[in-house]
Amino acid sequence: QKEVEQDPGPLSVPEGAIVSLNCTYSNSAFQYFMWYRQYSRKGPELLMYTYSSGNKEDGRFTAQVDKSSKYISLFIRDSQPSDSATYLCASLSGSARQLTFGSGTQLTVLP
Amino acid sequence: EPEVTQTPSHQVTQMGQEVILRCVPISNHLYFYWYRQILGQKVEFLVSFYNNEISEKSEIFDDQFSVERPDGSNFTLKIRSTKLEDSAMYFCASSVGGDETQYFGPGTRLLVL
Repeated sequence: QKEVEQDPGPLSVPEGAIVSLNCTYSNSAFQYFMWYRQYSRKGPELLMYTYSSGNKEDGRFTAQVDKSSKYISLFIRDSQPSDSATYLCASLSGSARQLTFGSGTQLTVLP
Repeated sequence: EPEVTQTPSHQVTQMGQEVILRCVPISNHLYFYWYRQILGQKVEFLVSFYNNEISEKSEIFDDQFSVERPDGSNFTLKIRSTKLEDSAMYFCASSVGGDETQYFGPGTRLLVL
């Protein structure tokens, strides 16, 4: 049970919209949750990192983890065309160091 | 800001040939990783490396793969006899600790013909 499932998208929104990106996971051992942004043919770039349940805010980005429902969310406020990328959720258990990634959601923010 | 670097950015090889992908992790990091992403698929874990030995590996990381830290800065992934299905983007990552954030390099695009 190592899967992380992610809404496939693609998702297209107008500039300034609030974007909600979501993942679910099945492995109860996952304790660390990350969101990475990946531009076409580039490496994943870390956006947010949270431990266990709760919210974490960084500028226009808010990461939310609900361990009771095994649900991971990333909210982007005031979305910009430069936010257009593929967003990957990933999880890590406390004992294993291998990140398990979702399939990614391709986001396009239209000017 | 320190970053993970990888060379080459692209590599084309013939099936059955050996390839070595190189990475320079962030200098104060102690854990090193290789992941791969086949076009259109998820990023998949291959191997983690700490204290000069493999700490974890996935089913993908079979006897054709090996990793090495030949000196104090480089971390390499060797594929001994490449197959067509090895064509993918290979990402190196590093972290300070085992449960710390992993930072990824830009990747090496490997094409096996």
